[in-house]
Amino acid sequence: RKEVEQDPGPFNVPEGATVAFNCTYSNSASQSFFWYRQDCRKEPKLLMSVYSSGNEDGRFTAQLNRASQYISLLIRDSKLSDSATYLCVVREDTNAGKSTFGDGTTLTVKP
Amino acid sequence: GAGVSQSPRYKVAKRGQDVALRCDPISGHVSLFWYQQALGQGPEFLTYFQNEAQLDKSGLPSDRFFAERPEGSVSTLKIQRTQQEDSAVYLCASSLEGEGLQETQYFGPGTRLLVL
Repeated sequence: RKEVEQDPGPFNVPEGATVAFNCTYSNSASQSFFWYRQDCRKEPKLLMSVYSSGNEDGRFTAQLNRASQYISLLIRDSKLSDSATYLCVVREDTNAGKSTFGDGTTLTVKP
Repeated sequence: GAGVSQSPRYKVAKRGQDVALRCDPISGHVSLFWYQQALGQGPEFLTYFQNEAQLDKSGLPSDRFFAERPEGSVSTLKIQRTQQEDSAVYLCASSLEGEGLQETQYFGPGTRLLVL
């Protein structure tokens, strides 16, 4: 079983839809959490950090549930440009240098 | 400003050949990371440097893999006697300090390695 698990999708949604991705992590020592976005054949780029109280950045909302070891990303009013793979990332308290990635969830937004 | 750069962008190697992959981090970034990304999977951690010190090499898959950062800036990942299972994208990332739990890691474009 992988340390960070994501539903691979693909998620195919129309423009304007709301879509949610889930991620679970197995290491209870994990202390920091992120969502990265990766376009096809490109490098991962930070989308947003995930804070304990939940946080929002425009159309994107991230939530963390430490008790269930679960992270979510909600995208509202999907745009064509949101089509990408979304990677869930965790870091442990004891080794802040090492990031553990999920295998990503692929989103395609269609006109 | 300039981001993380990697070279070569593409490398085709014959099985058994040695390869060297280069990473130039963002200027002034203390920490440097190497990841391996197989097709359809997320990046897998290989190793991590803080300045010239290699603090974690737990992700290197075998003793054929070796990384160095002798002057605390440019890093080289060397793979000896390449095997077909080494075919992947090798991503380099850097961060300003690397110790903060919320530190952003900035990725380079990767080197796409194909071993025939």
